[in-house]
Amino acid sequence: DAGVIQSPRHEVTEMGQEVTLRCKPISGHNSLFWYRQTMMRGLELLIYFNNNVPIDDSGMPEDRFSAKMPNASFSTLKIQPSEPRDSAVYFCASSLRVTGAANVLTFGAGSRLTVL
Amino acid sequence: RKEVEQDPGPFNVPEGATVAFNCTYSNSASQSFFWYRQDCRKEPKLLMSVYSSGNEDGRFTAQLNRASQYISLLIRDSKLSDSATYLCAVGGAAGNKLTFGGGTRVLVKP
Repeated sequence: DAGVIQSPRHEVTEMGQEVTLRCKPISGHNSLFWYRQTMMRGLELLIYFNNNVPIDDSGMPEDRFSAKMPNASFSTLKIQPSEPRDSAVYFCASSLRVTGAANVLTFGAGSRLTVL
Repeated sequence: RKEVEQDPGPFNVPEGATVAFNCTYSNSASQSFFWYRQDCRKEPKLLMSVYSSGNEDGRFTAQLNRASQYISLLIRDSKLSDSATYLCAVGGAAGNKLTFGGGTRVLVKP
């Protein structure tokens, strides 16, 4: 199994530019999560999907952030326009959600975003 | 108050010693608990789940105290390779969403 695949691994962009981060979850997993990690705020949940449907986006900072999951094998997180305070490592994670069982997340390697 | 809190450390541990640290959570309805390990500039990786009765995996022991709302991780016979940041994760009653603590940094020294 290739695990959770994220791209790009590193992105450096200028303030105001659009940023698109991509994620391919583990095949067969039915839940997908986007987290953001910074030194100041730690690992924060931005949004998660069950069966491609967004369930909780309360962690999305503001309207500049949007996430989609058009099918079971692909998700994007878009920031438009980007700002320096968006600089962080963005992790995608997936899991196989089974009713009544604990939800074990597998993380991708992350996308390190720097907004100048 | 944060939902999940950890002592950030660092815990400086002599090789071969035992170290233990806790993670407190605020939601009494939480149902699932985990410890993840994160190496520098890497992704978090599952270390172990935490069960109500406590559980052990080699040199690692995890405990859950529901009354006081904390989980703990104990590492025995520490190895240099145990140096990492340990993140606790707590799942709510809905069972799906995981909230992470800020992490406890452990440095094992020769």
